[in-house]
Amino acid sequence: QSVLTQPPSVSGAPGQRVTISCTGSTSNLGANYDVHWYQQLPGTVPKLLIYGNNNRPSGIPDRFSGSKSGTSGSLAITGLQVEDEADYYCQSYDSSLSGFVFGTGTKVTVL
Amino acid sequence: EVQLVESGGGLIQPGGSLRLSCAASGFIVSSGYMSWVRQTPGKGLEWVSVIYSGGSTHYADSVKGRFTISRDNSKNTLYLQMNSLRAEDTAVYYCARGKSGSFCFDYWGQGTLVTVSS
Repeated sequence: QSVLTQPPSVSGAPGQRVTISCTGSTSNLGANYDVHWYQQLPGTVPKLLIYGNNNRPSGIPDRFSGSKSGTSGSLAITGLQVEDEADYYCQSYDSSLSGFVFGTGTKVTVL
Repeated sequence: EVQLVESGGGLIQPGGSLRLSCAASGFIVSSGYMSWVRQTPGKGLEWVSVIYSGGSTHYADSVKGRFTISRDNSKNTLYLQMNSLRAEDTAVYYCARGKSGSFCFDYWGQGTLVTVSS
């Protein structure tokens, strides 16, 4: 049962900018725990895309950016490309659960 | 190069037990924290359990009392003992390495499928 809520789907044309929201609560994002993002291409393993709210691991293009404010986080993809079609998950830590939590997931479709 | 290789999945009847293994290379499992994360086919990700460098462990409520995470430092391997399995435990199970200084996962294994069915 996910405690981080994401929109089920977002879509955009190639070259456009899309954003994915991640809504949490006072025991996770609102408790100053960071939001992280993963990309899961079809048939593959999740890959860390953004960590610590807005940091990109080595090799991740700067088209991907993240932010966090209060109990919500956001992932932005600028210059959308066909290869960005994937499922995206946010993730944080929850103090009331003493464990990690994932978002419900968002499917990005490139029109 | 960091690698995580899971094994031990398969078809098991409800109420049965299974032990998953995750063999690590390229880093020391006990130097940081490691987790199991599962994904129901076609659905989202669910965190299952974590073991920290000091040995403390935590579990998702859905598996507490039934699953046990452990590691063998001599084999650099992570385990997940799963007892009293239920149909809703059917999923692909990934082991994942915790990223130092951050509560997230920077390396994932390829996953092993556990199917609980009679």
